Amino acid sequence: AQSVAQPEDQVNVAEGNPLTVKCTYSVSGNPYLFWYVQYPNRGLQFLLKYITGDNLVKGSYGFEAEFNKSQTSFHLKKPSALVSDSALYFCAVRDHNQGGKLIFGQGTELSVKP
Amino acid sequence: DAEITQSPRHKITETGRQVTLACHQTWNHNNMFWYRQDLGHGLRLIHYSYGVQDTNKGEVSDGYSVSRSNTEDLPLTLESAASSQTSVYFCASSGTSGSGGTDTQYFGPGTRLTVL
Repeated sequence: AQSVAQPEDQVNVAEGNPLTVKCTYSVSGNPYLFWYVQYPNRGLQFLLKYITGDNLVKGSYGFEAEFNKSQTSFHLKKPSALVSDSALYFCAVRDHNQGGKLIFGQGTELSVKP
Repeated sequence: DAEITQSPRHKITETGRQVTLACHQTWNHNNMFWYRQDLGHGLRLIHYSYGVQDTNKGEVSDGYSVSRSNTEDLPLTLESAASSQTSVYFCASSGTSGSGGTDTQYFGPGTRLTVL
Protein backbone atom coordinates (compact mmCIF):
# COMPACT_ATOMS: atom_id res chain seq x y z
CA ALA A 1 0.00 0.00 0.00
CA GLN A 2 1.16 3.51 -0.73
CA SER A 3 1.71 5.69 2.30
CA VAL A 4 3.44 8.67 3.79
CA ALA A 5 4.73 9.00 7.33
CA GLN A 6 5.72 12.07 9.29
CA PRO A 7 7.32 10.59 12.40
CA GLU A 8 7.27 13.78 14.47
CA ASP A 9 4.05 15.41 15.61
CA GLN A 10 5.97 18.50 16.67
CA VAL A 11 9.35 20.05 15.97
CA ASN A 12 10.74 22.87 18.09
CA VAL A 13 13.54 25.08 16.78
CA ALA A 14 15.19 28.30 17.91
CA GLU A 15 15.06 31.20 15.49
CA GLY A 16 18.16 31.30 13.31
CA ASN A 17 18.87 27.59 13.68
CA PRO A 18 18.45 25.12 10.82
CA LEU A 19 15.24 23.13 10.75
CA THR A 20 14.30 19.72 9.42
CA VAL A 21 10.83 18.24 9.14
CA LYS A 22 10.93 14.56 8.35
CA CYS A 23 8.92 12.56 5.83
CA THR A 24 9.22 8.98 4.63
CA TYR A 25 7.17 7.34 1.93
CA SER A 26 6.20 4.01 0.49
CA VAL A 27 5.09 3.82 -3.14
CA SER A 28 5.36 1.51 -6.09
CA GLY A 29 7.20 3.11 -8.95
CA ASN A 30 8.76 6.54 -9.04
CA PRO A 31 7.44 8.87 -6.37
CA TYR A 32 5.97 12.31 -6.91
CA LEU A 33 6.46 14.07 -3.57
CA PHE A 34 5.05 17.32 -2.21
CA TRP A 35 5.31 19.59 0.81
CA TYR A 36 2.52 21.90 1.92
CA VAL A 37 2.31 24.42 4.74
CA GLN A 38 -0.79 25.45 6.66
CA TYR A 39 -0.89 28.64 8.71
CA PRO A 40 -3.59 28.99 11.39
CA ASN A 41 -7.11 29.30 9.97
CA ARG A 42 -5.84 29.05 6.42
CA GLY A 43 -5.86 26.49 3.63
CA LEU A 44 -2.82 24.46 2.65
CA GLN A 45 -0.22 26.27 0.57
CA PHE A 46 2.04 24.45 -1.86
CA LEU A 47 5.74 24.74 -0.96
CA LEU A 48 7.63 22.46 -3.31
CA LYS A 49 7.59 19.15 -5.14
CA TYR A 50 9.90 16.46 -6.45
CA ILE A 51 9.02 14.77 -9.71
CA THR A 52 12.39 13.91 -11.21
CA GLY A 53 15.88 15.36 -11.57
CA ASP A 54 18.03 16.87 -8.83
CA ASN A 55 17.57 15.35 -5.43
CA LEU A 56 17.62 18.78 -3.79
CA VAL A 57 14.47 20.71 -4.56
CA LYS A 58 14.10 24.40 -3.77
CA GLY A 59 10.76 25.92 -2.99
CA SER A 60 8.98 28.92 -1.56
CA TYR A 61 10.03 30.98 1.49
CA GLY A 62 13.60 29.61 1.49
CA PHE A 63 12.56 26.00 2.03
CA GLU A 64 14.17 23.07 0.31
CA ALA A 65 13.73 19.33 0.44
CA GLU A 66 16.10 16.46 -0.16
CA PHE A 67 14.89 13.37 -1.96
CA ASN A 68 16.70 10.22 -0.86
CA LYS A 69 15.64 7.15 -2.79
CA SER A 70 17.63 4.62 -0.76
CA GLN A 71 16.12 5.86 2.49
CA THR A 72 12.70 6.56 0.91
CA SER A 73 12.74 9.98 2.51
CA PHE A 74 11.87 13.52 1.51
CA HIS A 75 12.83 15.75 4.43
CA LEU A 76 11.98 19.45 4.42
CA LYS A 77 14.79 21.79 5.41
CA LYS A 78 15.61 25.42 5.92
CA PRO A 79 19.06 26.76 6.82
CA SER A 80 17.82 29.46 9.19
CA ALA A 81 14.38 29.29 10.79
CA LEU A 82 12.13 32.30 11.29
CA VAL A 83 9.41 32.73 13.89
CA SER A 84 7.02 33.23 10.97
CA ASP A 85 7.79 29.67 9.78
CA SER A 86 5.76 28.36 12.71
CA ALA A 87 2.93 26.39 11.09
CA LEU A 88 1.65 22.92 10.29
CA TYR A 89 3.56 21.09 7.56
CA PHE A 90 2.23 18.25 5.43
CA CYS A 91 4.13 15.83 3.25
CA ALA A 92 2.23 14.12 0.41
CA VAL A 93 2.85 11.54 -2.30
CA ARG A 94 0.99 10.97 -5.55
CA ASP A 95 -1.21 7.90 -5.57
CA HIS A 96 0.00 6.11 -8.70
CA ASN A 97 -2.96 3.78 -8.60
CA GLN A 98 -5.33 6.72 -8.96
CA GLY A 99 -3.72 9.56 -10.80
CA GLY A 100 -4.56 12.97 -9.42
CA LYS A 101 -4.96 11.87 -5.85
CA LEU A 102 -2.42 12.73 -3.17
CA ILE A 103 -1.82 10.76 -0.01
CA PHE A 104 -1.07 13.11 2.89
CA GLY A 105 0.91 12.51 6.04
CA GLN A 106 -0.57 13.40 9.42
CA GLY A 107 1.25 16.71 9.62
CA THR A 108 4.07 18.11 11.76
CA GLU A 109 3.62 21.20 13.89
CA LEU A 110 6.71 23.40 13.62
CA SER A 111 7.31 25.89 16.40
CA VAL A 112 10.10 28.44 16.04
CA LYS A 113 10.91 30.37 19.20
CA PRO A 114 12.75 33.71 19.29
CA ASP B 1 -5.10 35.47 -11.04
CA ALA B 2 -6.59 32.01 -10.90
CA GLU B 3 -7.94 31.00 -7.55
CA ILE B 4 -10.11 28.58 -5.64
CA THR B 5 -12.82 29.92 -3.36
CA GLN B 6 -15.13 28.36 -0.81
CA SER B 7 -18.37 29.58 0.68
CA PRO B 8 -19.54 30.07 3.27
CA ARG B 9 -16.36 30.43 5.35
CA HIS B 10 -18.29 29.64 8.54
CA LYS B 11 -21.55 27.78 8.96
CA ILE B 12 -23.56 26.71 11.98
CA THR B 13 -26.41 24.29 11.41
CA GLU B 14 -28.58 21.86 13.30
CA THR B 15 -28.57 18.09 13.31
CA GLY B 16 -30.65 16.65 10.48
CA ARG B 17 -30.51 19.65 8.19
CA GLN B 18 -29.16 19.48 4.66
CA VAL B 19 -26.10 21.65 4.10
CA THR B 20 -24.26 22.49 0.89
CA LEU B 21 -20.75 23.85 0.82
CA ALA B 22 -19.62 25.58 -2.36
CA CYS B 23 -16.27 25.30 -4.10
CA HIS B 24 -15.36 27.31 -7.20
CA GLN B 25 -12.05 27.31 -9.07
CA THR B 26 -10.84 29.42 -11.96
CA TRP B 27 -7.73 27.33 -12.70
CA ASN B 28 -9.66 25.36 -15.34
CA HIS B 29 -8.52 22.21 -13.56
CA ASN B 30 -10.15 18.89 -14.32
CA ASN B 31 -9.54 17.39 -10.87
CA MET B 32 -11.33 18.60 -7.77
CA PHE B 33 -11.27 17.22 -4.22
CA TRP B 34 -13.03 17.63 -0.91
CA TYR B 35 -11.23 16.98 2.38
CA ARG B 36 -12.11 17.32 6.00
CA GLN B 37 -9.55 18.21 8.63
CA ASP B 38 -9.92 17.15 12.24
CA LEU B 39 -7.46 17.20 15.11
CA GLY B 40 -5.55 13.95 15.22
CA HIS B 41 -6.69 12.85 11.78
CA GLY B 42 -4.91 15.17 9.39
CA LEU B 43 -6.62 15.51 6.02
CA ARG B 44 -9.14 12.89 4.98
CA LEU B 45 -10.51 12.65 1.46
CA ILE B 46 -14.31 12.77 1.19
CA HIS B 47 -15.06 12.82 -2.55
CA TYR B 48 -13.24 13.71 -5.72
CA SER B 49 -13.91 14.32 -9.38
CA TYR B 50 -11.75 13.93 -12.47
CA GLY B 51 -14.04 15.91 -14.73
CA VAL B 52 -17.59 16.92 -15.55
CA GLN B 53 -20.12 14.23 -14.60
CA ASP B 54 -17.40 12.21 -12.86
CA THR B 55 -17.49 11.69 -9.08
CA ASN B 56 -15.75 9.20 -6.80
CA LYS B 57 -15.88 8.27 -3.14
CA GLY B 58 -12.96 8.92 -0.88
CA GLU B 59 -12.11 7.32 2.43
CA VAL B 60 -14.82 9.09 4.48
CA SER B 61 -17.70 9.55 2.04
CA ASP B 62 -20.62 8.32 4.16
CA GLY B 63 -23.18 11.09 4.68
CA TYR B 64 -21.73 13.29 1.92
CA SER B 65 -22.43 13.68 -1.79
CA VAL B 66 -21.05 15.74 -4.65
CA SER B 67 -22.05 16.54 -8.21
CA ARG B 68 -19.98 17.99 -11.05
CA SER B 69 -22.04 19.76 -13.68
CA ASN B 70 -19.25 22.05 -14.92
CA THR B 71 -15.48 22.37 -14.69
CA GLU B 72 -15.43 25.20 -12.16
CA ASP B 73 -17.66 23.93 -9.36
CA LEU B 74 -17.85 20.94 -7.02
CA PRO B 75 -20.45 21.51 -4.29
CA LEU B 76 -20.38 19.22 -1.27
CA THR B 77 -23.74 18.27 0.27
CA LEU B 78 -24.32 16.86 3.73
CA GLU B 79 -27.62 15.07 3.30
CA SER B 80 -28.57 15.08 6.98
CA ALA B 81 -25.99 16.84 9.10
CA ALA B 82 -24.65 15.04 12.17
CA SER B 83 -22.53 16.33 15.04
CA SER B 84 -19.73 14.04 13.87
CA GLN B 85 -19.53 16.15 10.73
CA THR B 86 -18.42 19.21 12.66
CA SER B 87 -15.09 19.91 11.02
CA VAL B 88 -13.11 22.18 8.74
CA TYR B 89 -13.70 21.38 5.08
CA PHE B 90 -11.19 22.09 2.32
CA CYS B 91 -11.65 22.01 -1.40
CA ALA B 92 -8.70 21.54 -3.75
CA SER B 93 -8.08 21.29 -7.47
CA SER B 94 -5.28 20.05 -9.72
CA GLY B 95 -4.44 19.70 -13.38
CA THR B 96 -4.84 16.44 -15.27
CA SER B 97 -1.86 14.08 -15.17
CA GLY B 98 -2.42 12.92 -18.71
CA SER B 99 -2.11 16.41 -20.12
CA GLY B 100 1.18 17.08 -18.38
CA GLY B 101 -0.11 18.13 -15.01
CA THR B 102 1.89 16.95 -12.05
CA ASP B 103 -0.95 16.70 -9.57
CA THR B 104 -0.03 19.74 -7.50
CA GLN B 105 -3.21 20.49 -5.60
CA TYR B 106 -4.23 24.05 -4.84
CA PHE B 107 -6.42 24.54 -1.81
CA GLY B 108 -9.26 26.84 -0.94
CA PRO B 109 -9.36 28.76 2.37
CA GLY B 110 -11.69 26.27 4.04
CA THR B 111 -15.18 26.23 5.56
CA ARG B 112 -15.62 25.77 9.28
CA LEU B 113 -18.83 23.84 9.84
CA THR B 114 -20.45 23.37 13.23
CA VAL B 115 -23.37 20.98 13.62
CA LEU B 116 -25.32 21.50 16.84
